[in-house]
Amino acid sequence: DSGVTQTPKHLITATGQRVTLRCSPRSGDLSVYWYQQSLDQGLQFLIQYYNGEERAKGNILERFSAQQFPDLHSELNLSSLELGDSALYFCASSSPPLAGAHPDTQYFGPGTRLTVL
Amino acid sequence: AQTVTQSQPEMSVQEAETVTLSCTYDTSESDYYLFWYKQPPSRQMILVIRQEAYKQQNATENRFSVNFQKAAKSFSLKISDSQLGDAAMYFCAYRKSNNFGNEKLTFGTGTRLTIIP
Repeated sequence: DSGVTQTPKHLITATGQRVTLRCSPRSGDLSVYWYQQSLDQGLQFLIQYYNGEERAKGNILERFSAQQFPDLHSELNLSSLELGDSALYFCASSSPPLAGAHPDTQYFGPGTRLTVL
Repeated sequence: AQTVTQSQPEMSVQEAETVTLSCTYDTSESDYYLFWYKQPPSRQMILVIRQEAYKQQNATENRFSVNFQKAAKSFSLKISDSQLGDAAMYFCAYRKSNNFGNEKLTFGTGTRLTIIP
């Protein structure tokens, strides 16, 4: 158990709909990362938040957005869903620079499997 | 842009034997981190081992060790005394060091390891 939690585990929805994925980082971690794992694109970085602020963006579609709340949990919002958005979405967290045993290491949650029908 | 290449889509090894998974990467940075993650059928991403580029000594974690060749940009994973529980997809990943603001992981395409009883 990495200490990162994600809900829900599975999500089945229809095209055009909107969903929200939730992530709680490990205790003390300030950074949250979102990754998408699909069969054709592999593991791709979407976005990073650090202590409530957006830090970096990767290959995140405009239909997707995210935020990190004051309690450090994060949500990834996916809207106008398409069949191609079906994937496993991972959240990872890491501790602040110079803190903890391995501040540069990301620990992953169990993922949310999204199926768009 | 950094790239990570895993040229072995699939590997197999007899139980109790040793296997080496290959990974090469491309970067113009001098300081960075490299990781191996394991993804068993549960789809959880589990950290196996990490290596700091500034360290000449190869990292080891019990039966797992790496052969880090910085000049060759090579980072292979050796699994000794292979066990059935080692069966999984293994991903090599790269991260810039001390790049506070964008600590995304760049992943290879993975190597599926099968353990033969």
